[in-house]
Amino acid sequence: GQQVMQIPQYQHVQEGEDFTTYCNSSTTLSNIQWYKQRPGGHPVFLIQLVKSGEVKKQKRLTFQFGEAKKNSSLHITATQTTDVGTYFCAGPSLYAIQGAQKLVFGQGTRLTINP
Amino acid sequence: GAVVSQHPSRVICKSGTSVKIECRSLDFQATTMFWYRQFPKQSLMLMATSNEGSKATYEQGVEKDKFLINHASLTLSTLTVTSAHPEDSSFYICSARETYNSPLHFGNGTRLTVT
Repeated sequence: GQQVMQIPQYQHVQEGEDFTTYCNSSTTLSNIQWYKQRPGGHPVFLIQLVKSGEVKKQKRLTFQFGEAKKNSSLHITATQTTDVGTYFCAGPSLYAIQGAQKLVFGQGTRLTINP
Repeated sequence: GAVVSQHPSRVICKSGTSVKIECRSLDFQATTMFWYRQFPKQSLMLMATSNEGSKATYEQGVEKDKFLINHASLTLSTLTVTSAHPEDSSFYICSARETYNSPLHFGNGTRLTVT
């Protein structure tokens, strides 16, 4: 079945260090979305990438969508304690049910930061 | 921005009782809502897709009779955990989207503890 894999599962860094999480899909995706979930909180939408090779930036966060539209990455430059949380990538399921396009989520990368 | 409200945020109930969780889209109409379950430090597990005015579509392995979903209006979906048992203790999160390809907006989640 369709799978979305994320690595690493955990990452611990010193504040100020960079961080990258990678997302790989078993199938070509029409788009990929990234969400952040703070400890004890709920996922919050960060960004959606649609085009092959697309790169988008949000301040210290850089998102990339691979040329083959099967992989993506999120890079954080100079992490801050506010970046702590779990980052999930998600892609549309191949199977649309009742016209609703559900998302397949990766396992997430849990980022912890030593201040 | 789009806001999804979920209530209650926490509930403790005794084994054998039923619990109802509400999910409301406050400033948009959501033809589709999704219900997830999340175990500690794990990813989001999709339980069911809920479409307004029709029966919910459950993921494989999710008991329809145990997790009753009703989507009576374009702004409200409910999940009822019937005859709850301690193994049903978990974090339940709903999400909604405005259009077919728009990102998901998540509720704050409900932490259910069954004693």
